[in-house]
Amino acid sequence: DGGITQSPKYLFRKEGQNVTLSCEQNLNHDAMYWYRQDPGQGLRLIYYSQIVNDFQKGDIAEGYSVSREKKESFPLTVTSAQKNPTAFYLCASSMPLSGYGYTFGSGTRLTIV
Amino acid sequence: AQSVAQPEDQVNVAEGNPLTVKCTYSVSGNPYLFWYVQYPNRGLQFLLKYITGDNLVKGSYGFEAEFNKSQTSFHLKKPSALVSDSALYFCAVRDGAGANNLFFGTGTRLTVIP
Repeated sequence: DGGITQSPKYLFRKEGQNVTLSCEQNLNHDAMYWYRQDPGQGLRLIYYSQIVNDFQKGDIAEGYSVSREKKESFPLTVTSAQKNPTAFYLCASSMPLSGYGYTFGSGTRLTIV
Repeated sequence: AQSVAQPEDQVNVAEGNPLTVKCTYSVSGNPYLFWYVQYPNRGLQFLLKYITGDNLVKGSYGFEAEFNKSQTSFHLKKPSALVSDSALYFCAVRDGAGANNLFFGTGTRLTVIP
């Protein structure tokens, strides 16, 4: 079955450490997205990529970095510069055409201890 | 510029009663509209979308939504609510004029009371 996989589901890291969240899709989608969701809040766009080897900052890119070396993969690194990284992170993919919605992964809950 | 508004943070409804979750939008071109549902600690799941055609769109789990161009609204409805419908609901819009991103509303938490 085609889908989008985020791993791990839960992640704990010490303050000051960088951490990388994985996102893989086998839907042959060109576009991929990273969102952050805090309790009781909506989705905030961190980074997005419309095509391999290209990505754009979203609304809250500071303290995060991404790469898009393969169509299937869009890993997100939460760096030590991110002041409050504890949150639920969602990855999504789509074809960059207006009639398509997004397919979401099941999310990674990151907790800084 | 695109935007989506979900005016209610929380909607409570009794089981068996009809439910409505409101959404209004703003886009430059023709709107492509979507509803998603999120259960705790899960990703968003697609419910339904409006691209063109009939203003009343039917989706998963008995949900439907009505596109109203004059009121720029796309309210989500269900004739009879179930306790299992309790979740967080997101409305989203994409401008049909080109290939660009979805804009999401802030979400509405639906609680169905037994």
